[in-house]
Amino acid sequence: EIVLTQSPGTLSLSPGERATLSCRASQTVSSSYLVWYQLKPGQAPRILIYGASSRATGIPDRFSGSGSGTDFTLTISRLEPEDFAVYYCQQYGSSPITFGQGTRLEIK
Amino acid sequence: QLLLQESGPGLVKPSETLSLTCTVSADSFSNTFYYWGWIRQPPGKGLEWIGSIYYTGSTYYNPSLKSRVTISVDTSKNQFSLQLSSVTAADTAVYYCARLRRSYSGYDYADYWGQGALVTVSS
Repeated sequence: EIVLTQSPGTLSLSPGERATLSCRASQTVSSSYLVWYQLKPGQAPRILIYGASSRATGIPDRFSGSGSGTDFTLTISRLEPEDFAVYYCQQYGSSPITFGQGTRLEIK
Repeated sequence: QLLLQESGPGLVKPSETLSLTCTVSADSFSNTFYYWGWIRQPPGKGLEWIGSIYYTGSTYYNPSLKSRVTISVDTSKNQFSLQLSSVTAADTAVYYCARLRRSYSGYDYADYWGQGALVTVSS
């Protein structure tokens, strides 16, 4: 089973700042089959990035994904107020499909 | 705009079977390109993949839940369903249904989600 470890657990930043979220895998994620989601209370979760670096439909270009192998990064270039949420990575390269434990992005 | 809506009892007794249905709003349910699945999140914890189904009825289940999970599909109603048997308090969670995209690896990610339904297991 691939264990995904996200860091930091909580990230405190201000609007306008740059956010860098990490997702590290215990084994190589096949073909960079890694996705990032955004979760907010009371809302349907939203996909941001798939295939490690491809933005999903309708996602602003301030969101970008990078990485391969075991190290992946989600970057939000300039934080907007609506970006404060919890972010999860998930790998879909092998069974079982697994998620990271999440990074909470909070307003400083 | 694709909408997915979970429905079912919000309270289930221990040892009984949890049953949820997801109704999909759009014609994408008949599109053979997509899979459909369930994901859950216990209170205060992270996400867990439960399983997925194709319109043909072909399924994938998380090995940790496989012995207790059944996912089925009713294409005539644009619905798919989750049954989880022998539930305990550890199965208390928000259950999400989702539209899935399958990769060449044979595994999936979710590109549209429902808002989720809280199911509490308690006597």
